[in-house]
Amino acid sequence: DAGVIQSPRHEVTEMGQEVTLRCKPISGHNSLFWYRQTMMRGLELLIYFNNNVPIDDSGMPEDRFSAKMPNASFSTLKIQPSEPRDSAVYFCASSFGGIATNEKLFFGSGTQLSVL
Amino acid sequence: AQSVTQLGSHVSVSEGALVLLRCNYSSSVPPYLFWYVQYPNQGLQLLLKYTTGATLVKGINGFEAEFKKSETSFHLTKPSAHMSDAAEYFCAVKGGNNRKLIWGLGTSLAVNP
Repeated sequence: DAGVIQSPRHEVTEMGQEVTLRCKPISGHNSLFWYRQTMMRGLELLIYFNNNVPIDDSGMPEDRFSAKMPNASFSTLKIQPSEPRDSAVYFCASSFGGIATNEKLFFGSGTQLSVL
Repeated sequence: AQSVTQLGSHVSVSEGALVLLRCNYSSSVPPYLFWYVQYPNQGLQLLLKYTTGATLVKGINGFEAEFKKSETSFHLTKPSAHMSDAAEYFCAVKGGNNRKLIWGLGTSLAVNP
């Protein structure tokens, strides 16, 4: 298996532009997580899907952020409009069993987002 | 409420020396504890986890951690550091099922030749 695949690896955009981050989880995994990593705040869980359904989006910073999972093999995280404070590394992770278990998370390589 | 504190954001050791990365947690219920490692430009990988049972947990790459309830600690150790161990290490706690993972801020480990 190729692991969790994220694209793009790097994204540089200007303030106000729409940004879309993509994630392909490991086949067979039924849970998907979007995290944001910054120096100041560390790893923050943004949203968690189980069986393609958003279960907990309490970590989504504000309405500018939205996430979708139209099927078991694809998810997007969209920021519209983007702001400089959104600059961070965004990770997608997947697992089998979901938040109620202790199954390990498999992380993608992340998307480094820079908003100028 | 749960929380995780990793003492020392940067740790530097010589190759062959003992590695000790500290993690303390707070949890109102018996915790599940995890160590993840992040190599440069990569996502995090699970090193080891404690759920129940034996308090000394062995993980990959020669790492181990001991759950000490009385000290609310889950320190990560390795007897002899290797250059390839240079990475960012994250401790995380989960206060039982249906709870989110709470992450520490990470400790950057440098290994000097």
